[in-house]
Amino acid sequence: EAGVAQSPRYKIIEKRQSVAFWCNPISGHATLYWYQQILGQGPKLLIQFQNNGVVDDSQLPKDRFSAERLKGVDSTLKIQPAKLEDSAVYLCASSLGLANTEAFFGQGTRLTVV
Amino acid sequence: SQQGEEDPQALSIQEGENATMNCSYKTSINNLQWYRQNSGRGLVHLILIRSNEREKHSGRLRVTLDTSKKSSSLLITASRAADTASYFCATDRGTGNQFYFGTGTSLTVIP
Repeated sequence: EAGVAQSPRYKIIEKRQSVAFWCNPISGHATLYWYQQILGQGPKLLIQFQNNGVVDDSQLPKDRFSAERLKGVDSTLKIQPAKLEDSAVYLCASSLGLANTEAFFGQGTRLTVV
Repeated sequence: SQQGEEDPQALSIQEGENATMNCSYKTSINNLQWYRQNSGRGLVHLILIRSNEREKHSGRLRVTLDTSKKSSSLLITASRAADTASYFCATDRGTGNQFYFGTGTSLTVIP
């Protein structure tokens, strides 16, 4: 079974530039998550989709971050404009969305803002 | 905000010894999960314990859950060098399968 695919693996941008990350979840997984993991910390949930609807985006900095999952499959996360403190690993995860099931994570995209 | 906190932040043991790490959380949960993260790699699910369960085993892993104290522990027996990684607890609360991660314990197993 193919896992969660993310691209790119690494990205370096200058502050105030924009960047986009792409995620392809495991086939059949209704729920998709984007997490931000700053070095030395645990992953922080940014946004959760159930199919193509948003379940929770309470921790998404909406003035600069946006995410979409148009057809209920792939998802993109965008940052515009980027700040130095956005340097982190951005993890995408998916799950069946049923009770008491685990999330499967991609390898992540390491973003460095200089 | 982070849901849980792991203790200790870092742990270093000899190969063959047991490793115990703890997780405390703040609100009611549906289940609690433990994940492992190797350097430069994504998170891998280890074990899930439901709120009505008190103990669960999987291979060399043993997880306990005390909902009255809002705490969980992960025991890795007979540790191996390959167990070197960061370990995170994640709590599933609310109605939407939302996973909130703790701060993590960094485990080093010395060969």
